[in-house]
Amino acid sequence: DAGVIQSPRHEVTEMGQEVTLRCKPISGHNSLFWYRQTMMRGLELLIYFNNNVPIDDSGMPEDRFSAKMPNASFSTLKIQPSEPRDSAVYFCASRGTSGSLRETQYFGPGTRLLVL
Amino acid sequence: DQQVKQNSPSLSVQEGRISILNCDYTNSMFDYFLWYKKYPAEGPTFLISISSIKDKNEDGRFTVFLNKSAKHLSLHIVPSQPGDSAVYFCAAMANNNDMRFGAGTRLTVKP
Repeated sequence: DAGVIQSPRHEVTEMGQEVTLRCKPISGHNSLFWYRQTMMRGLELLIYFNNNVPIDDSGMPEDRFSAKMPNASFSTLKIQPSEPRDSAVYFCASRGTSGSLRETQYFGPGTRLLVL
Repeated sequence: DQQVKQNSPSLSVQEGRISILNCDYTNSMFDYFLWYKKYPAEGPTFLISISSIKDKNEDGRFTVFLNKSAKHLSLHIVPSQPGDSAVYFCAAMANNNDMRFGAGTRLTVKP
């Protein structure tokens, strides 16, 4: 298995531009998580999906952020318009269900976003 | 609201000695705790976990201790090796199964 795949790995954009981050979870996993890592706040949960349905988006910073999961193998996190304070590493993680709800999450390599 | 706190942003230890990473939490509903390890330019990877019904879980050189009354857990690495140098994240889960992470502690193990 290729693991969780994220693209792009690096993104540099100008303030005001739209940014779309992509994630392909591990096949068969039914939960998907988006995190943001910053020096100040560490790893923050932004939103998570169960069976493609958003369960908790309370971590999404503001309306400029949106996330979708149109099917079990793809999710996007969009920032529109982007601002310099959005600069961070964004991680996607997926989790399966094998009878135990505590199965660990598997993280992708992250997308490093820089908004100038 | 930081429900999971790692108050030491960094820790440096000598190879062969013990590394102790600490984590505190505020939400009494948390009942499952995990440690993740992260190398530069990679995503975090699962290291070890502990359920609230236990106070210790050991896996090779790694041991996690849980003190529920103090809402505190710690990760012990013995003996520490240079390859253990990474950022370590503490995480906690409640019944809703979403995971809350601490800010991380950067461990440096010097040869």
